[in-house]
Amino acid sequence: EVQLVQSGAEVKKPGESLKISCKGSGYSFTSYWIGWVRQMPGKGLEWMGIIYPGDSDTRYSPSFQGQVTISADKSISTAYLQWSSLKASDTAMYYCARLISLGELLDYWGQGTLVTVSS
Amino acid sequence: QSVLTQPPSASGTPGQRVTISCSGSSSNIGSNYVYWYQQLPGTAPKLLIYRNNQRPSGVPDRFSGSKSGTSASLAISGLRSEDEADYYCAAWDDSLSGLFGGGTKLTVL
Repeated sequence: EVQLVQSGAEVKKPGESLKISCKGSGYSFTSYWIGWVRQMPGKGLEWMGIIYPGDSDTRYSPSFQGQVTISADKSISTAYLQWSSLKASDTAMYYCARLISLGELLDYWGQGTLVTVSS
Repeated sequence: QSVLTQPPSASGTPGQRVTISCSGSSSNIGSNYVYWYQQLPGTAPKLLIYRNNQRPSGVPDRFSGSKSGTSASLAISGLRSEDEADYYCAAWDDSLSGLFGGGTKLTVL
């Protein structure tokens, strides 16, 4: 069974750093792209970027380029999304999901990680 | 404003057929597959339709998708109370990024 399990909710202050994770199981983690999607409170889904764990090839949406870093550790089948300096506007639910293939969209989703940034 | 345009809301009564539209452009819907996701309150999105009109295992055949040119639509027949959710269309864009519609909130009256 394909599963993506994300790390737990986080509460951070503005300016702090953060790294959240997404662990895949039940399939060949290095053979599928992983995508990250943001959902701000009461809003829709936004595409952030994708990574291919096999070789760490990473593609960012222009809106998120330079704002976050996507990485992966294939030895532990885990992808990451990180911030170096959080802002209040980063408060959102973040989902990881598996791409069917490059040029296609997402099939299996993680449960989401709620990130709250507040002073 | 999303590049893929959906109506913000839709509604229907139990048993009715409801359709949700999604409009894009030649660089996304016009040249790539369309996908539909269902997001029930407080849960992660779930794949409902892939490759324009294919249903993953376990998705009832009450749900169907279609695409024509740069537009697509999701149809739900035999509407049920548990179909009340947010629905998102999505497509790959030739700029090498995925795109989502703004979402449609479906209310079952």
